[in-house]
Amino acid sequence: DAGITQSPRHKVTETGTPVTLRCHQTENHRYMYWYRQDPGHGLRLIHYSYGVKDTDKGEVSDGYSVSRSKTEDFLLTLESATSSQTSVYFCAISESWRSAGNEQFFGPGTRLTVL
Amino acid sequence: AQSVSQHNHHVILSEAASLELGCNYSYGGTVNLFWYVQYPGQHLQLLLKYFSGDPLVKGIKGFEAEFIKSKFSFNLRKPSVQWSDTAEYFCAVNSITNAGGTSYGKLTFGQGTILTVHP
Repeated sequence: DAGITQSPRHKVTETGTPVTLRCHQTENHRYMYWYRQDPGHGLRLIHYSYGVKDTDKGEVSDGYSVSRSKTEDFLLTLESATSSQTSVYFCAISESWRSAGNEQFFGPGTRLTVL
Repeated sequence: AQSVSQHNHHVILSEAASLELGCNYSYGGTVNLFWYVQYPGQHLQLLLKYFSGDPLVKGIKGFEAEFIKSKFSFNLRKPSVQWSDTAEYFCAVNSITNAGGTSYGKLTFGQGTILTVHP
């Protein structure tokens, strides 16, 4: 398995509180992604990074921000959590995206519940 | 924007039955195609991928998929399923944007198909 860890693995929080999820990789891959998984929607891209300090929005970015200050860490922040952000969050990494080896490797996920 | 559609939400089979899960995408350009599997309580794992060449690709655990460009389809097949194949299956597409744009490998996923295999 690719060296990807996510922390925390489970979190329960209250509406309006800030939450930060961390993705840490030991593979030195350039590209990192945050997805959320909800029943009936599959996985949807929140934000992604194509290098240190280089990030961009995905399909469902409202209410989320990200930061990447070093290659190995990609942080996802919910500035003021809402119940609609209750979900399972997956981080993914990729070495390249154009070549035949551009598959994404997924972390174990973080289950977030917002009460 | 590209989209991916998986035809079946929940498929129930008995062991040894054949499996085919449908996947269609909407995008007119060059794409890379993937099938991922998620076993209960686990993270996503890659089953197989298509980049170019032979449209029939073989993956792990006896799975295969056929890319039919004219139908914008990438259906997943297995001739004989096992109880251990019980999982959720996701089709995903990565568009290789033409010059002037870039996708950075962003994946668009289908809604997922839950496969339940009875012993």
